[in-house]
Amino acid sequence: GAGVSQSPSNKVTEKGKDVELRCDPISGHTALYWYRQSLGQGLEFLIYFQGNSAPDKSGLPSDRFSAERTGGSVSTLTIQRTQQEDSAVYLCASSPKTGTSGAAYNEQFFGPGTRLTVL
Amino acid sequence: AQSVTQPDIHITVSEGASLELRCNYSYGATPYLFWYVQSPGQGLQLLLKYFSGDTLVQGIKGFEAEFKRSQSSFNLRKPSVHWSDAAEYFCAVYNNNDMRFGAGTRLTVKP
Repeated sequence: GAGVSQSPSNKVTEKGKDVELRCDPISGHTALYWYRQSLGQGLEFLIYFQGNSAPDKSGLPSDRFSAERTGGSVSTLTIQRTQQEDSAVYLCASSPKTGTSGAAYNEQFFGPGTRLTVL
Repeated sequence: AQSVTQPDIHITVSEGASLELRCNYSYGATPYLFWYVQSPGQGLQLLLKYFSGDTLVQGIKGFEAEFKRSQSSFNLRKPSVHWSDAAEYFCAVYNNNDMRFGAGTRLTVKP
């Protein structure tokens, strides 16, 4: 597609349920990032993929959060046993290159996000 | 750890007035610096970025930003604001796969 897409756009769930959020990056982009945007907060880095591997998982807030990426393309962010504090907008971004050095950095293209509400 | 501070949570300006959004960062070296805009229901769009060289960078939609090393600042400016500029603006710093965003500044434009 022309841009990064995310689904669903909105998700309302009950506390304790599991949710899966999907990100379809721009075709050919090797790097993929997940961020969380809580109300009144900046974007909080969650996890970064280079191809299918995740060299940086440092941002995942707890072991209830996990993510995978298959075929170097689609990524799924899973939140188990959701809590009310998980309510936020989850943004995905993809980039043509990884940023292992300054010269290799390239622009991140963001999806519209998934708004998650945990009741 | 690097961090980004946007001191102004919400700014209101009149259409046609000038705009300056503040951004300060904390990092040992000069990171890569960015400004993004997020319109309601939209993803973030890159306005401009600074990697090196000329400290005054021009971006899209008539925006510019100036990197001031001595002040660790990267403020965003626009000489004349349009109603369509109403949005949330995020400053970000990047180094070695670590991208940090400020909390954002919400811009309201009065007619």
